[in-house]
Amino acid sequence: GQQLNQSPQSMFIQEGEDVSMNCTSSSIFNTWLWYKQDPGEGPVLLIALYKAGELTSNGRLTAQFGITRKDSFLNISASIPSDVGIYFCAGQLNNAGNMLTFGGGTRLMVKP
Amino acid sequence: NAGVMQNPRHLVRRRGQEARLRCSPMKGHSHVYWYRQLPEEGLKFMVYLQKENIIDESGMPKERFSAEFPKEGPSILRIQQVVRGDSAAYFCASSPPGLAGDTQYFGPGTRLTVL
Repeated sequence: GQQLNQSPQSMFIQEGEDVSMNCTSSSIFNTWLWYKQDPGEGPVLLIALYKAGELTSNGRLTAQFGITRKDSFLNISASIPSDVGIYFCAGQLNNAGNMLTFGGGTRLMVKP
Repeated sequence: NAGVMQNPRHLVRRRGQEARLRCSPMKGHSHVYWYRQLPEEGLKFMVYLQKENIIDESGMPKERFSAEFPKEGPSILRIQQVVRGDSAAYFCASSPPGLAGDTQYFGPGTRLTVL
């Protein structure tokens, strides 16, 4: 089956720093999504990308859908303590049903 | 404007018992998905249902696991004769009717512990 490799697995940064994480896939996806999960909660959608090459922002978050449709990155600028959590990428192949394939997650820790 | 509701939030079962997890989708949503998350891992797809129909159960174990989404009431994920390896967080997501690829909104999850 399809696999998503997400890196880095964890990051420990200083408040105010920028953060970058990415996902690569062995095969293409038609949609890329980025979610954030807080402890004890479900994933919350941050950004959805629907076209190869698309660059989308949501506040301090920016994500891009790779041209090859096999990768995506998420950047967080000027991190703050509430950015702490686990960030997941997810790919969706619309013509194979609606299931999401998730990466392994990036655990972000922010030092005030 | 309630989101996806799941209950119970925490469920403890002994080996061999049955676990029933319930999911009420967002208002107006007719597509429901179940995912399982083991500690320190991403979510893994289990099953996709529409009202009274199982659309894709390719991620569901062949034995002991079943899911339904009746015409009335919540979707149910049922695990019979639970084993320790079933301990995980189970998340439900819903999306509105329409074209494939609509955004999935997740519930808070049910954390199943098998003793």
